[in-house]
Amino acid sequence: AQKITQTQPGMFVQEKEAVTLDCTYDTSDPSYGLFWYKQPSSGEMIFLIYQGSYDQQNATEGRYSLNFQKARKSANLVISASQLGDSAMYFCAMREGGNQFYFGTGTSLTVIP
Amino acid sequence: NAGVMQNPRHLVRRRGQEARLRCSPMKGHSHVYWYRQLPEEGLKFMVYLQKENIIDESGMPKERFSAEFPKEGPSILRIQQVVRGDSAAYFCASSPTSGGLDEQFFGPGTRLTVL
Repeated sequence: AQKITQTQPGMFVQEKEAVTLDCTYDTSDPSYGLFWYKQPSSGEMIFLIYQGSYDQQNATEGRYSLNFQKARKSANLVISASQLGDSAMYFCAMREGGNQFYFGTGTSLTVIP
Repeated sequence: NAGVMQNPRHLVRRRGQEARLRCSPMKGHSHVYWYRQLPEEGLKFMVYLQKENIIDESGMPKERFSAEFPKEGPSILRIQQVVRGDSAAYFCASSPTSGGLDEQFFGPGTRLTVL
């Protein structure tokens, strides 16, 4: 089974609107972390936001928030007030306390002016 | 504090040549991870190293690929006798601790093109 599933290959959003990027995960480990990274066309991986499995509240970082639904094993990224510079690939990732990150296949977000 | 550094940023090799990719972790980080990103895909784990030790190489192809992280100097990912299928972006990440749930800080990647 896939550890991280991102079902939206591509998404479009109007500038200044909010958009939700979906991510579901699979783990039997009670302790894990969920991460979102942004990869613009230049190729670097930019850390956006982190959610720990034991965190009681949803993580927020500026315009980014993580809608964490533990029972459903989902960790959707919400970007509010989209900007043209938000156009990029977005990757959801999970770490179970081991050595590696597991990445999803990514969602390509295009912000329309 | 400088981030994770990788060089070269772009590397072109002909089939059969060797590719050497370098990664300098963030200052104070002694844990290095290598990932490969094929076109249109997410990152896939290759290997995890600490200074002078390979801890987990479960994602590394059994042949032609090797990695090291010497006591002094950067971590090196070496690909011998490259083939077209090795064309990908190779990312290095570092973290200050092993395991746990700490963020891994990624370098800018090396884009390898095999002609």
